[in-house]
Amino acid sequence: EVQLVESGGGLVHPGRSLRLSCAASGFTFDDYAMHWVRQVPGKGLEWVAGITWNSGTKHYADSVKGRFTISRDNTENSLYLQMNSLRGEDTAFYYCAKDGTTGPTWGQGTLVTVSA
Amino acid sequence: DIQMTQSPSTLSASVGDSVSITCRASQSIGNWLAWYQQKPGKAPKLLIYKASSLESGVPSRFSGSGSGTEFTLTISSLQPDDFVTYYCQQYNSYLWTFGQGTKVEIK
Repeated sequence: EVQLVESGGGLVHPGRSLRLSCAASGFTFDDYAMHWVRQVPGKGLEWVAGITWNSGTKHYADSVKGRFTISRDNTENSLYLQMNSLRGEDTAFYYCAKDGTTGPTWGQGTLVTVSA
Repeated sequence: DIQMTQSPSTLSASVGDSVSITCRASQSIGNWLAWYQQKPGKAPKLLIYKASSLESGVPSRFSGSGSGTEFTLTISSLQPDDFVTYYCQQYNSYLWTFGQGTKVEIK
């Protein structure tokens, strides 16, 4: 069974940094591209970043470009999101997701709250 | 980027009704479209992938159709548990995009 477990969320002050992690299991991690998606509580879904299986290509939403960095460690079956210069509008649930032809698979999410 | 336009934003219906939600892509995405159901406080749950394939364990009253730029999610015989929010998503490119969501309310 595919499992994706996010961690690293919490309360952080504006301008500070936070690193999210996603532990993957139940599939061959380095066969798949991976993504981060976020959702402000009560609002819609926003794709944040994606990375190919070998980290060769990374894509970012304009709203986070230059501040967030997606990375992965295929030896550890882990996905990461380094978030710098955090803003109030970055407050959201962050989900990691596995790409694939049979539809994306999502974790349960971790909440990031940016507030003074 | 590919834009996804989902309609309606809100839908009022009764238990037992059949309803449809539409998603339109700004350019062709083939059949790389997913539909999700989201309950309050929970992660989105995959219902349909590749436009019309039913995810394992999802009731058969959910169905998807379409290709290219026009897609539809149909829920036949709405059950009380179905009155929540639904999203479409294109995964044709690495830059995923989502519809704005449709909240299905009890009439």
